[in-house]
Amino acid sequence: GQNIDQPTEMTATEGAIVQINCTYQTSGFNGLFWYQQHAGEAPTFLSYNVLDGLEEKGRFSSFLSRSKGYSYLLLKELQMKDSASYLCAGMDSNYQLIWGAGTKLIIKP
Amino acid sequence: ETGVTQTPRHLVMGMTNKKSLKCEQHLGHNAMYWYKQSAKKPLELMFVYNFKEQTENNSVPSRFSPECPNSSHLFLHLHTLQPEDSALYLCASSQEIGTSSEQYFGPGTRLTVT
Repeated sequence: GQNIDQPTEMTATEGAIVQINCTYQTSGFNGLFWYQQHAGEAPTFLSYNVLDGLEEKGRFSSFLSRSKGYSYLLLKELQMKDSASYLCAGMDSNYQLIWGAGTKLIIKP
Repeated sequence: ETGVTQTPRHLVMGMTNKKSLKCEQHLGHNAMYWYKQSAKKPLELMFVYNFKEQTENNSVPSRFSPECPNSSHLFLHLHTLQPEDSALYLCASSQEIGTSSEQYFGPGTRLTVT
């Protein structure tokens, strides 16, 4: 079957670095997406990885290892506004997104 | 307006009511999606339309009925719902299916079935 696993909740301190891990099992693979969702709001696209390695975008970076079925989202210089849920989604051979349940990130001052 | 809009933002309905959710995208996309989001659960894909044609129906009960009159508009018609249908209903769009383009989401309709 297809499955995405990510931690339910994480806590970090303002100004610090946090890594949110995601493991995936999909039927075929057409990339790995990360979305951010603030409470009561729409998910918004953060990153897309289809090749192995690290993609950096400002304070956010995303890593992919296809051989391990593993990705992580790295958030640096955490700000209070980064408190949100982070959704990991793998795209299968039919280009359908398989979603994780999301990781709720709590930032403390 | 830009992006993906959804109305209403909040809806409370009884089990015998009939209501409709509306989604509109202003991005020139050709694919539109309905998702159900329940607390602490993954997004559940309900329906997919590509160029106005339905391409996915993920075993959704018939009390949910989608309609896509054109590539910019998507409706979800609701009737005789159950309390377990209470959730956030998200609409999304993307360039088209069969590509790895990202999906853009609307703010959702928070549905409560009493």
